[in-house]
Order: sequence, then C-alpha cells, then structure tokens
Amino acid sequence: DIVMTQTPLSLSVSPGQPAVISCKSSQSIRNDDGKTLLYWFLQKPGQPPQLLIYEAFNRFSGVPDRFSGSGSGTDFTLKISRLEAEDVGLYYCLQNFQLPFTFGGGTKVEIK
Amino acid sequence: QVQLVQSESEMKRPGTSVKVSCKTSGYTFTKFGIIWVRQAPGQGLEWMGWINPDNGRNYLVERLQGRVALTSDTSTSTVHMELTRLTFDDTAIFYCARSGGTFWGQGTLVTVSS
Repeated sequence: DIVMTQTPLSLSVSPGQPAVISCKSSQSIRNDDGKTLLYWFLQKPGQPPQLLIYEAFNRFSGVPDRFSGSGSGTDFTLKISRLEAEDVGLYYCLQNFQLPFTFGGGTKVEIK
Repeated sequence: QVQLVQSESEMKRPGTSVKVSCKTSGYTFTKFGIIWVRQAPGQGLEWMGWINPDNGRNYLVERLQGRVALTSDTSTSTVHMELTRLTFDDTAIFYCARSGGTFWGQGTLVTVSS
C-alpha cells in the first residue's frame, strides 16, 4: 500500500499569516496521462470532509484562491496564503493512484 | 444539485451487523463510483473501499474483506455498506462520497456497545 505521510501534525497560525502543510507519498502517484492523483481535503469540526484541491494543484469549484496545491513526484504541499478563522480544522491528503487509496494522517490547523 | 444522503445513526451489539445506506441524487448514478470512508472517534480518515454502481464491481481494503459488503441498487440510486461481526473497535462515523471526493454524505455514526 502507498503510505502518505503528512507534516506537521498540528499548526497554530495567526490570522492573515500563511500556513503550509506537507504530504509525502511512499512512491510516485503520477499516472500514465501525466496526472498526479493527489487530493487535499478540509474537515471542519462536526462536518464531512470537503474537497479543496484535486490532481495536486487544481482548486475545486468554490474554493477560495488563498488555497493552493503544489508538488510533484512524491512531495506535495498545500498552502493557505492568509489564514482565516473559517479555515480551522483537519486537513488530509489522499492518493487516488493505486488501490487501496490512502489518506495521510491529518494536520490540525488552528488560529493562534 | 448533487446530494448523498445517508441513513441514520445506529447503535449495535457486538457480534451483530449494520447496514448503512447512501442515497444519491442530482446526477447519473451509474456514471460515478462511490467510496466509503471510516472515522473512529478522534481519529483520522480511513479509506475503506469503492464500488462501481453500474455493475456492482467493488474493492475493499484487505483488513475489511470478508466482513464488509458493498452493494448498489440502480432502481433507487442507492449504495449500501454492510459491516458484519461488529466489535467495539468498529464504533465510527462512516461516510460515503462520490469518487474523487467531490461530494460527500453527511456521515452515519455507528456505535457498538453492549
């Protein structure tokens, strides 16, 4: 199985400051079409996860442009350019490349 | 609009089974796979498996094979997840989502208690 390793476990950031989360896969998750099958989700307290980024860097519909995804190969990053109060929650990466699909362990983001 | 509506919370005894449903609407049911995700209390997300609603073909993580059955009903645009031989460790919120994680159900809490 592909192991997804997220860091840090938690992050405390002042409003308006950037937040960066890392996700590393144990092997390449790029398919033959050149797409990197890495997804980012935010789970707000008491809610199901919501998709933020798909295929490593594409923002899902309605996601604010302060969220951006980058990376290639096995190293990926989610950046929140200016943290807002509504961004607190648990962030997860997911690889959709090889069955079984696997999530990272999660990163808790809170407001300082 | 796309919706996935799951069945209500359940409380079960150890050793019994639970069946969680995920009723979809707002899109062509047979065109998108459905994934199931489990979240134990205070824990992260665990990807459980996937089903093709068109033909019922499915995949489950190895540790759940033999205990979980995924089925689809095209007449009602509903998929089901049945978990058998429940133990206390199965207490969790179960989510269904459309493949790619674009749309999610609200979650179903299954509590296993004696």
